[in-house]
Amino acid sequence: GENVEQHPSTLSVQEGDSAVIKCTYSDSASNYFPWYKQELGKGPQLIIDIRSNVGEKKDQRIAVTLNKTAKHFSLHITETQPEDSAVYFCAASIDYGGSQGNLIFGKGTKLSVKP
Amino acid sequence: EPEVTQTPSHQVTQMGQEVILRCVPISNHLYFYWYRQILGQKVEFLVSFYNNEISEKSEIFDDQFSVERPDGSNFTLKIRSTKLEDSAMYFCASSERRIYGYTFGSGTRLTVV
Repeated sequence: GENVEQHPSTLSVQEGDSAVIKCTYSDSASNYFPWYKQELGKGPQLIIDIRSNVGEKKDQRIAVTLNKTAKHFSLHITETQPEDSAVYFCAASIDYGGSQGNLIFGKGTKLSVKP
Repeated sequence: EPEVTQTPSHQVTQMGQEVILRCVPISNHLYFYWYRQILGQKVEFLVSFYNNEISEKSEIFDDQFSVERPDGSNFTLKIRSTKLEDSAMYFCASSERRIYGYTFGSGTRLTVV
C-alpha cells in the first residue's frame, strides 16, 4: 500500500523567513496531495492541495510543488508569522472510480516560528 | 463556516468497556470517515462510510469496531471492548465530494485505563 514519508519532523524558523516541508510517496497511482495544519487541541485543517495534473499551486503565502517522476511534493510557506506555528501533515490519496478517498498521512512536521 | 462536531472531547474508560464516539458531520456532506492518531504518530485511516454503508476499512478496523449513522445526522464509532492500545485521538471527517475537501472535527481523546 501507499506510504508517505515527511521531513523534517521539527522545523524552527525566524519570523519572516521561509519554511519548506517535504514529503515522498511510494505509490505512483496516487494523484491527490493535500496539506493539513493542526493547531493544538484542534483537528487537521486543509490549507492547500494539489492534483497530479498540476506541478505547482499557490495561495498567498503558501505554495505546494509536485514532482511526479520523483514522487515527492513540498509545502512552501513564505514570510512566516508566529500564527503559522502548528503541526503540518502531508497526505496522499488515489482518486479513481472505485476508491472512497482515504488519505494516507505523513508523520507531521512541528513548525515553530520565533518572533 | 460549517463545522464537524465531535463529542465528547475527552473520554476515559476502563479496559474491556464499550465506548461510543459521536460525530455530527456537515449537513450536505455525503462521505464520512473516522481516523485516529496515537500520540506522536501518524493520523491513520480507520473507515469510510457512504450511502449508509462502509465503503472501505483498514486493518485496524477489526470486529471490535463498528460505525453507524443512526438518524441521518449523527455518525458514530463504537468500540465494543476497549484495549489499552485503543488510546488515541479519534477524528471524524466528512466531505461533500469523494476525497476532496475533507473537514475534520476537533477529535475525541480516548484514554483506556
